[in-house]
Amino acid sequence: DGGITQSPKYLFRKEGQNVTLSCEQNLNHDAMYWYRQDPGQGLRLIYYSQIVNDFQKGDIAEGYSVSREKKESFPLTVTSAQKNPTAFYLCASSIGTGWVGLFFGSGTQLSVL
Amino acid sequence: AQSVTQPDIHITVSEGASLELRCNYSYGATPYLFWYVQSPGQGLQLLLKYFSGDTLVQGIKGFEAEFKRSQSSFNLRKPSVHWSDAAEYFCAGVFGNEKLTFGTGTRLTIIP
Repeated sequence: DGGITQSPKYLFRKEGQNVTLSCEQNLNHDAMYWYRQDPGQGLRLIYYSQIVNDFQKGDIAEGYSVSREKKESFPLTVTSAQKNPTAFYLCASSIGTGWVGLFFGSGTQLSVL
Repeated sequence: AQSVTQPDIHITVSEGASLELRCNYSYGATPYLFWYVQSPGQGLQLLLKYFSGDTLVQGIKGFEAEFKRSQSSFNLRKPSVHWSDAAEYFCAGVFGNEKLTFGTGTRLTIIP
């Protein structure tokens, strides 16, 4: 079945450590997105990519980095510069680049040790 | 600036009762509008979307939404809720060529 796979489901980060969240899709979608979700807030856009080897900052990109070397993959690295990384991270993809019809993965919960 | 507002943080409904979740937007033209549902610890699932045309749109799981331009609203409705409908519901919009903007969500609790 086609879909988006996020791994791991739960991740723990130590002080000063970089961690990478995986996002893979087999839907042949062009665009991919990373969102951060905090309790009581909506989803906030971290980064998005509408084509391979290109990506754009979203509203809260500081302390995060991404790459898009393959159409299927869009990993997110949470760097040590992100001082408040505890959140639920959601990856999404869409068939076009018009921000419509986003299809979401099941998320990764990141916590700080 | 364009925005999506969900005025109700938490709603409690009895099983079998009707449901209406409110969503308002701020934009000078007609946006693309969406409703998503999220179960605890899971991703978001698209319930329905409105682009243009018929202002009453049908979605999955028995949900519908009505676009009202005069009220800048896109409220979600269901005639009879089931315990499995307990979740968080997000309204979202695309305004022109801008990014998808989410509301802050409404948590739905179902009581027996």
